[in-house]
Amino acid sequence: DGGITQSPKYLFRKEGQNVTLSCEQNLNHDAMYWYRQDPGQGLRLIYYSQIVNDFQKGDIAEGYSVSREKKESFPLTVTSAQKNPTAFYLCATRSGGQPQHFGDGTRLSIL
Amino acid sequence: GESVGLHLPTLSVQEGDNSIINCAYSNSASDYFIWYKQESGKGPQFIIDIRSNMDKRQGQRVTVLLNKTVKHLSLQIAATQPGDSAVYFCAENSGGSNYKLTFGKGTLLTVNP
Repeated sequence: DGGITQSPKYLFRKEGQNVTLSCEQNLNHDAMYWYRQDPGQGLRLIYYSQIVNDFQKGDIAEGYSVSREKKESFPLTVTSAQKNPTAFYLCATRSGGQPQHFGDGTRLSIL
Repeated sequence: GESVGLHLPTLSVQEGDNSIINCAYSNSASDYFIWYKQESGKGPQFIIDIRSNMDKRQGQRVTVLLNKTVKHLSLQIAATQPGDSAVYFCAENSGGSNYKLTFGKGTLLTVNP
């Protein structure tokens, strides 16, 4: 989706390091979401934010943190507490009762 | 917790045939359902949605059917094309106004020319 930019496309993490995944949107959507996808699996919700300066845990928030200081940005930090961080991470946005729209993801791997 | 159930099956069809992808959901309180298409290495792409006060909705070459009695959702693709080859996910909103979606595991659709 051209309005949602996730970067980088590929990211490598060393053991014990925190890494931050970027999600930027120019759609003026209020809500933003972070999902994790493992091979052959559906998406699982990590964190979501309905408005600026507010966010809630999803189903698998342990080992992750987020911030929502600006409407356009919802960065996800994968901390060293996340013991199995290798996955495909997807960011989505939503406006009102419309469906969520997704970026093209960041693939995180452990060195 | 409750989840949309779908072991990742594979559906293989011939180009030009109609495809039907099924999904069972377990949360009777879910009020909104979405089908997404995901190509390799990309994010899910919205196809069609339906609210619980409807039982059928049509788009361009796609139709979604909702059977609340048996908690079943299906996606029909007419005249399937090679470009339709992808993994298809159903998702349900059981989170009310938060629109927290629960995703199934997906179906891999392969279209043979």
